[in-house]
Amino acid sequence: GEDVEQSLFLSVREGDSSVINCTYTDSSSTYLYWYKQEPGAGLQLLTYIFSNMDMKQDQRLTVLLNKKDKHLSLRIADTQTGDSAIYFCAESRGYSTLTFGKGTMLLVSP
Amino acid sequence: DAMVIQNPRYQVTQFGKPVTLSCSQTLNHNVMYWYQQKSSQAPKLLFHYYDKDFNNEADTPDNFQSRRPNTSFCFLDIRSPGLGDAAMYLCATSGTGVRNTEAFFGQGTRLTVV
Repeated sequence: GEDVEQSLFLSVREGDSSVINCTYTDSSSTYLYWYKQEPGAGLQLLTYIFSNMDMKQDQRLTVLLNKKDKHLSLRIADTQTGDSAIYFCAESRGYSTLTFGKGTMLLVSP
Repeated sequence: DAMVIQNPRYQVTQFGKPVTLSCSQTLNHNVMYWYQQKSSQAPKLLFHYYDKDFNNEADTPDNFQSRRPNTSFCFLDIRSPGLGDAAMYLCATSGTGVRNTEAFFGQGTRLTVV
């Protein structure tokens, strides 16, 4: 079956880089996503990567995909207090029927 | 401008009393989804509509139903809410082409069952 796992908590200082890791089990995943959820809010898509890519960079965000190990990571450069939120890794095989991890709570301290 | 709108943001219902949550979209997307997110858990797909075709997840309880009267609107009906159905319900939409697979989420409706 499908399973997506993430570490539950990460704490960093403002200005440092944050790296959030995710592993997934479904080798037929076509897209892998990172979503951000602030308290009481819906999910905001941060970035996604197609399964035939190794890396994608978008401003402060860098996504690395190791398809062999089924490992996905999200690096946030120069982390700000406004980046504090829960970050969800998700995978899909088709359009957007997503399977989510449990989320990593990122706490950024001044 | 909000593209996926869920109403209400907060809903309180009584145990066993039917409740309907609504979702509308301005994106003209083919696909609309309903996810359930319980506290400190991952969002879990309940079902989705691909145009008018309803696709239920195997483990979605019969207590949960959905209607999509037109492209823009989709409803989640909970026939007899139990205490365990208290959660955030997230509606999402997406296209289906290779280049528009992104899912757009609404702000969610937080359901409380008393």
